[in-house]
Amino acid sequence: AQKVTQAQTEISVVEKEDVTLDCVYETRDTTYYLFWYKQPPSGELVFLIRRNSFDEQNEISGRYSWNFQKSTSSFNFTITASQVVDSAVYFCAPFSGGYNKLIFGAGTRLAVHP
Amino acid sequence: ETGVTQTPRHLVMGMTNKKSLKCEQHLGHNAMYWYKQSAKKPLELMFVYNFKEQTENNSVPSRFSPECPNSSHLFLHLHTLQPEDSALYLCASSQEEGTRGGNTQYFGPGTRLTVL
Repeated sequence: AQKVTQAQTEISVVEKEDVTLDCVYETRDTTYYLFWYKQPPSGELVFLIRRNSFDEQNEISGRYSWNFQKSTSSFNFTITASQVVDSAVYFCAPFSGGYNKLIFGAGTRLAVHP
Repeated sequence: ETGVTQTPRHLVMGMTNKKSLKCEQHLGHNAMYWYKQSAKKPLELMFVYNFKEQTENNSVPSRFSPECPNSSHLFLHLHTLQPEDSALYLCASSQEEGTRGGNTQYFGPGTRLTVL
């Protein structure tokens, strides 16, 4: 069975704080892709990153960084020096080869306050 | 031009109405998707089209009828809907379907549907 868990329902931080969003993907697949999407209040899902399960190197892009650890099935996302514009719902979405589809987590709502 | 567009952005309809949602992608992709996002459930895949052929119908009620006349356009025809069908309907596209997830899906802004 495939299961994606975003245990944090809501996170509230003050601007300039660092924040980490957690995602755990339980699967028997040995090869898969993991995606993170951002959904601001406007509703559009914005693609942030795609990672292959073979690649466990951390990735940094500006204020965003991703930490993927296959041994613990975790694919966490960190925003450094958060800004008000980062306020959104963030979805972790593994691609299940068995089901041939993206499986979306429940999402984590991030509120960044001035 | 924006990659994936959807019209209308907001729609209010009665249970006896017939309406259609439109999605257009300008990314040169060959796969298109309809998703439903309601308040109390995770994002749900409804339909998938790959090279204009429907490849996925995720047990969607027949009151939702998709149409894909070409790889750039996708419609969702609605009739005799129920109040519980009120949700955000999102369209997405990718280069192709599947291929073990190597294709990133890009989403449109969604249509906020309210059924009275």
